[in-house]
Amino acid sequence: AQSVTQLGSHVSVSEGALVLLRCNYSSSVPPYLFWYVQYPNQGLQLLLKYTSAATLVKGINGFEAEFKKSETSFHLTKPSAHMSDAAEYFCAVSDAGNTPLVFGKGTRLSVIA
Amino acid sequence: ETGVTQSPTHLIKTRGQQVTLRCSSQSGHNTVSWYQQALGQGPQFIFQYYREEENGRGNFPPRFSGLQFPNYSSELNVNALELDDSALYLCASSPGLSGTDTQYFGPGTRLTVL
Repeated sequence: AQSVTQLGSHVSVSEGALVLLRCNYSSSVPPYLFWYVQYPNQGLQLLLKYTSAATLVKGINGFEAEFKKSETSFHLTKPSAHMSDAAEYFCAVSDAGNTPLVFGKGTRLSVIA
Repeated sequence: ETGVTQSPTHLIKTRGQQVTLRCSSQSGHNTVSWYQQALGQGPQFIFQYYREEENGRGNFPPRFSGLQFPNYSSELNVNALELDDSALYLCASSPGLSGTDTQYFGPGTRLTVL
Protein backbone atom coordinates (compact mmCIF):
# COMPACT_ATOMS: atom_id res chain seq x y z
CA ALA A 1 0.00 0.00 0.00
CA GLN A 2 1.12 3.50 -0.71
CA SER A 3 1.51 6.18 1.92
CA VAL A 4 2.84 9.70 2.27
CA THR A 5 4.42 11.35 5.28
CA GLN A 6 4.76 15.10 5.44
CA LEU A 7 7.19 16.17 8.14
CA GLY A 8 6.01 19.24 9.99
CA SER A 9 2.35 20.17 10.15
CA HIS A 10 3.29 23.85 10.25
CA VAL A 11 6.28 25.64 8.73
CA SER A 12 6.94 29.33 9.22
CA VAL A 13 9.43 31.31 7.10
CA SER A 14 10.29 34.96 6.63
CA GLU A 15 9.44 36.69 3.39
CA GLY A 16 12.35 36.18 0.99
CA ALA A 17 13.66 33.10 2.79
CA LEU A 18 13.97 29.59 1.40
CA VAL A 19 10.87 27.41 1.56
CA LEU A 20 11.42 23.69 2.20
CA LEU A 21 8.45 21.38 2.69
CA ARG A 22 9.27 17.74 3.27
CA CYS A 23 7.54 14.70 1.81
CA ASN A 24 8.50 11.04 2.08
CA TYR A 25 6.57 8.29 0.36
CA SER A 26 6.16 4.57 0.58
CA SER A 27 5.28 2.62 -2.53
CA SER A 28 5.86 -0.94 -3.70
CA VAL A 29 5.91 0.17 -7.33
CA PRO A 30 7.45 3.18 -9.09
CA PRO A 31 5.41 6.11 -7.88
CA TYR A 32 3.98 9.17 -9.46
CA LEU A 33 4.22 12.10 -7.06
CA PHE A 34 2.30 15.33 -6.83
CA TRP A 35 2.29 18.54 -4.83
CA TYR A 36 -0.97 20.42 -4.47
CA VAL A 37 -1.67 23.77 -2.78
CA GLN A 38 -4.90 24.69 -1.02
CA TYR A 39 -5.76 28.28 -0.21
CA PRO A 40 -8.39 28.97 2.47
CA ASN A 41 -11.90 27.92 1.48
CA GLN A 42 -10.72 26.67 -1.91
CA GLY A 43 -10.06 23.37 -3.62
CA LEU A 44 -6.65 21.93 -4.47
CA GLN A 45 -4.45 23.34 -7.24
CA LEU A 46 -1.66 21.30 -8.79
CA LEU A 47 1.81 22.82 -8.26
CA LEU A 48 3.85 20.12 -9.98
CA LYS A 49 4.07 16.39 -10.65
CA TYR A 50 6.75 13.74 -11.13
CA THR A 51 5.92 11.03 -13.66
CA SER A 52 9.28 9.24 -14.12
CA ALA A 53 10.89 11.74 -16.46
CA ALA A 54 13.37 14.30 -15.08
CA THR A 55 13.95 13.92 -11.35
CA LEU A 56 13.97 17.69 -10.83
CA VAL A 57 10.50 18.98 -11.53
CA LYS A 58 9.64 22.64 -11.95
CA GLY A 59 6.15 23.84 -11.18
CA ILE A 60 4.11 26.98 -11.02
CA ASN A 61 4.83 30.04 -8.88
CA GLY A 62 8.57 29.29 -8.69
CA PHE A 63 8.25 25.98 -6.85
CA GLU A 64 10.28 22.89 -7.68
CA ALA A 65 10.73 19.42 -6.23
CA GLU A 66 13.36 16.72 -6.60
CA PHE A 67 12.56 13.02 -6.70
CA LYS A 68 15.17 11.04 -4.73
CA LYS A 69 14.51 7.33 -4.98
CA SER A 70 17.28 6.36 -2.53
CA GLU A 71 15.71 8.59 0.12
CA THR A 72 12.08 7.96 -0.95
CA SER A 73 11.63 11.70 -0.82
CA PHE A 74 10.00 14.41 -2.91
CA HIS A 75 10.65 17.64 -1.04
CA LEU A 76 9.17 20.91 -2.29
CA THR A 77 11.34 24.03 -2.42
CA LYS A 78 11.15 27.68 -3.42
CA PRO A 79 14.19 29.96 -3.22
CA SER A 80 12.37 33.03 -1.96
CA ALA A 81 9.06 33.00 -0.10
CA HIS A 82 6.34 35.49 -0.92
CA MET A 83 3.42 36.48 1.28
CA SER A 84 1.06 34.96 -1.30
CA ASP A 85 2.65 31.52 -0.72
CA ALA A 86 0.90 31.21 2.65
CA ALA A 87 -1.38 28.19 2.23
CA GLU A 88 -1.74 24.47 2.97
CA TYR A 89 0.46 22.17 0.90
CA PHE A 90 -0.27 18.52 0.22
CA CYS A 91 2.01 15.84 -1.16
CA ALA A 92 0.28 12.92 -2.90
CA VAL A 93 1.28 9.63 -4.52
CA SER A 94 -0.28 7.34 -7.12
CA ASP A 95 1.13 4.53 -9.22
CA ALA A 96 1.18 3.74 -12.91
CA GLY A 97 -2.02 1.84 -12.77
CA ASN A 98 -5.51 3.01 -12.13
CA THR A 99 -5.17 4.22 -8.58
CA PRO A 100 -6.45 7.26 -6.75
CA LEU A 101 -4.26 9.84 -5.08
CA VAL A 102 -3.07 9.08 -1.56
CA PHE A 103 -2.43 12.32 0.29
CA GLY A 104 -0.29 13.30 3.22
CA LYS A 105 -1.80 15.22 6.10
CA GLY A 106 -0.57 18.53 4.77
CA THR A 107 1.83 21.26 5.85
CA ARG A 108 0.58 24.75 6.60
CA LEU A 109 3.05 27.37 5.38
CA SER A 110 3.08 30.77 7.07
CA VAL A 111 5.12 33.65 5.63
CA ILE A 112 6.18 36.39 8.01
CA ALA A 113 6.80 39.90 6.75
CA GLU B 1 -12.04 25.44 -20.88
CA THR B 2 -14.32 25.55 -17.86
CA GLY B 3 -13.09 24.33 -14.49
CA VAL B 4 -14.61 21.86 -12.06
CA THR B 5 -17.60 23.22 -10.17
CA GLN B 6 -19.42 21.90 -7.12
CA SER B 7 -22.74 22.68 -5.47
CA PRO B 8 -23.78 23.65 -2.94
CA THR B 9 -20.89 25.49 -1.33
CA HIS B 10 -22.08 24.85 2.19
CA LEU B 11 -24.67 22.53 3.65
CA ILE B 12 -25.99 21.86 7.13
CA LYS B 13 -27.81 18.61 7.91
CA THR B 14 -28.83 16.73 11.01
CA ARG B 15 -27.80 13.23 11.98
CA GLY B 16 -29.74 10.53 10.16
CA GLN B 17 -30.62 12.67 7.15
CA GLN B 18 -29.55 12.07 3.57
CA VAL B 19 -27.55 14.46 1.37
CA THR B 20 -26.66 14.79 -2.31
CA LEU B 21 -23.62 16.74 -3.45
CA ARG B 22 -23.08 17.65 -7.08
CA CYS B 23 -20.05 18.09 -9.29
CA SER B 24 -19.59 19.26 -12.85
CA SER B 25 -16.39 17.98 -14.43
CA GLN B 26 -14.33 19.57 -17.14
CA SER B 27 -15.68 18.81 -20.59
CA GLY B 28 -14.07 15.72 -22.07
CA HIS B 29 -12.96 14.32 -18.70
CA ASN B 30 -14.25 10.77 -18.38
CA THR B 31 -13.10 10.18 -14.81
CA VAL B 32 -14.39 11.75 -11.62
CA SER B 33 -13.07 11.01 -8.16
CA TRP B 34 -14.55 12.05 -4.83
CA TYR B 35 -12.55 12.77 -1.71
CA GLN B 36 -13.45 13.56 1.90
CA GLN B 37 -11.24 16.08 3.72
CA ALA B 38 -11.79 16.21 7.46
CA LEU B 39 -10.62 19.28 9.33
CA GLY B 40 -6.83 19.36 9.56
CA GLN B 41 -6.37 16.27 7.41
CA GLY B 42 -5.48 15.46 3.85
CA PRO B 43 -8.17 14.35 1.39
CA GLN B 44 -9.19 10.70 1.57
CA PHE B 45 -10.40 8.80 -1.48
CA ILE B 46 -14.07 7.81 -1.42
CA PHE B 47 -14.62 6.38 -4.92
CA GLN B 48 -14.00 6.94 -8.59
CA TYR B 49 -16.25 6.74 -11.65
CA TYR B 50 -15.13 6.18 -15.22
CA ARG B 51 -17.64 6.53 -18.03
CA GLU B 52 -20.56 6.14 -15.62
CA GLU B 53 -19.27 2.98 -13.93
CA GLU B 54 -17.72 2.78 -10.45
CA ASN B 55 -14.03 2.08 -10.94
CA GLY B 56 -12.62 1.89 -7.45
CA ARG B 57 -13.61 2.57 -3.88
CA GLY B 58 -11.83 3.62 -0.72
CA ASN B 59 -12.52 2.54 2.83
CA PHE B 60 -15.98 4.08 3.10
CA PRO B 61 -19.24 2.29 3.99
CA PRO B 62 -21.98 1.55 1.43
CA ARG B 63 -24.07 4.50 2.65
CA PHE B 64 -21.68 6.57 0.53
CA SER B 65 -22.77 6.11 -3.08
CA GLY B 66 -22.37 7.94 -6.34
CA LEU B 67 -23.51 8.43 -9.89
CA GLN B 68 -21.85 9.80 -13.00
CA PHE B 69 -23.88 11.09 -15.94
CA PRO B 70 -23.07 11.37 -19.67
CA ASN B 71 -23.01 15.17 -19.48
CA TYR B 72 -19.86 15.12 -17.25
CA SER B 73 -21.83 15.77 -14.07
CA SER B 74 -21.78 13.49 -11.04
CA GLU B 75 -23.30 13.09 -7.59
CA LEU B 76 -22.18 11.91 -4.19
CA ASN B 77 -24.99 10.62 -1.98
CA VAL B 78 -24.63 9.96 1.71
CA ASN B 79 -27.40 8.23 3.65
CA ALA B 80 -27.94 8.08 7.40
CA LEU B 81 -25.60 10.97 8.10
CA GLU B 82 -23.32 10.71 11.12
CA LEU B 83 -21.53 13.49 12.99
CA ASP B 84 -18.17 12.24 11.63
CA ASP B 85 -19.38 12.89 8.10
CA SER B 86 -18.81 16.59 8.70
CA ALA B 87 -16.03 17.49 6.25
CA LEU B 88 -15.11 19.21 3.01
CA TYR B 89 -16.09 17.02 0.06
CA LEU B 90 -13.98 17.46 -3.05
CA CYS B 91 -14.53 16.14 -6.52
CA ALA B 92 -11.74 15.91 -9.06
CA SER B 93 -11.96 15.22 -12.77
CA SER B 94 -9.29 13.82 -15.06
CA PRO B 95 -9.16 12.80 -18.71
CA GLY B 96 -8.74 9.05 -18.19
CA LEU B 97 -7.44 6.43 -15.81
CA SER B 98 -3.67 6.82 -16.05
CA GLY B 99 -1.78 7.49 -12.86
CA THR B 100 -0.03 10.33 -14.67
CA ASP B 101 -3.27 12.16 -15.40
CA THR B 102 -3.64 15.39 -13.49
CA GLN B 103 -6.74 15.48 -11.32
CA TYR B 104 -8.42 18.89 -11.37
CA PHE B 105 -10.23 19.69 -8.16
CA GLY B 106 -13.36 21.68 -7.57
CA PRO B 107 -13.70 24.15 -4.67
CA GLY B 108 -15.52 21.63 -2.51
CA THR B 109 -18.76 21.40 -0.55
CA ARG B 110 -18.48 21.89 3.19
CA LEU B 111 -20.95 19.60 4.96
CA THR B 112 -21.81 20.12 8.60
CA VAL B 113 -23.78 17.41 10.40
CA LEU B 114 -25.45 18.45 13.65
